[in-house]
Amino acid sequence: GDSVTQMEGPVTLSEEAFLTINCTYTATGYPSLFWYVQYPGEGLQLLLKATKADDKGSNKGFEATYRKETTSFHLEKGSVQVSDSAVYFCALIVNTGFQKLVFGTGTRLLVSP
Amino acid sequence: GAVVSQHPSWVICKSGTSVKIECRSLDFQATTMFWYRQFPKQSLMLMATSNEGSKATYEQGVEKDKFLINHASLTLSTLTVTSAHPEDSSFYICSAEPMKGDTEAFFGQGTRLTVV
Repeated sequence: GDSVTQMEGPVTLSEEAFLTINCTYTATGYPSLFWYVQYPGEGLQLLLKATKADDKGSNKGFEATYRKETTSFHLEKGSVQVSDSAVYFCALIVNTGFQKLVFGTGTRLLVSP
Repeated sequence: GAVVSQHPSWVICKSGTSVKIECRSLDFQATTMFWYRQFPKQSLMLMATSNEGSKATYEQGVEKDKFLINHASLTLSTLTVTSAHPEDSSFYICSAEPMKGDTEAFFGQGTRLTVV
C-alpha cells in the first residue's frame, strides 16, 4: 500500500547548522507530497508541498524537491533557528475518491542556541 | 489561508463518560473532513472520513460505535468519544478539505483528551 518513511529522530542541531530530514515514499500513481510542521501543543501546519516530479516546494527557508526517480522528498534548510524546533511530518495525498493524507511517523527537531 | 477551528483544545473526563469534539471550517465549506488520532511520539493515524450528509467512513480497526462522527453541515463535523476509557486518552486532530478540491487539507489545532 501507499506509505511514507521518515528518518527517526530526534535530530539535534546547533543554531545555524544545516538540516536534512529524509523522506521516501511508496505510492501507486503520482501522489502530491507535503511537509507539515507541528509546534509544541499545536496542530499541524502545512510547511510546503510539491504536486509533480521535479517540483520544489519552499517556505520559511525550508525546501524539498519531488524526486520521482528516487521516490524521495527530503526536507532541507541551510541555517536552522531555535524557533524551528518542532516535529516535522512528511505526507502524501492518495486520491481514493477523497483526498486522503498518509503521514510518516514524524521527525522531532531540536535546535539549541 | 483557510482556518479550521477545533474545540475544545483540551478536556479531562471521567471513565465512562462521553466527550464531544467539534471541528469547524470558519471561512470555507467542506464536504469532507477527516479525523486523526495521534499517540505520543507517533504519527497521525486516520480514524475516519466524515462526509456531509452521509455516514462516515471508518478506517480498519476503528470502532464506529465508540467514535461517533456527525457531519451535519458544510462547516461542522463532530467526534464523540463514547464511554471513554483511559486508553482513549490521546491527541485528536481534524482536517477539512475545501469544496473546490484543493489538494491542501487544513488542520485544526487539535484536542488533547485525558480520561481519568
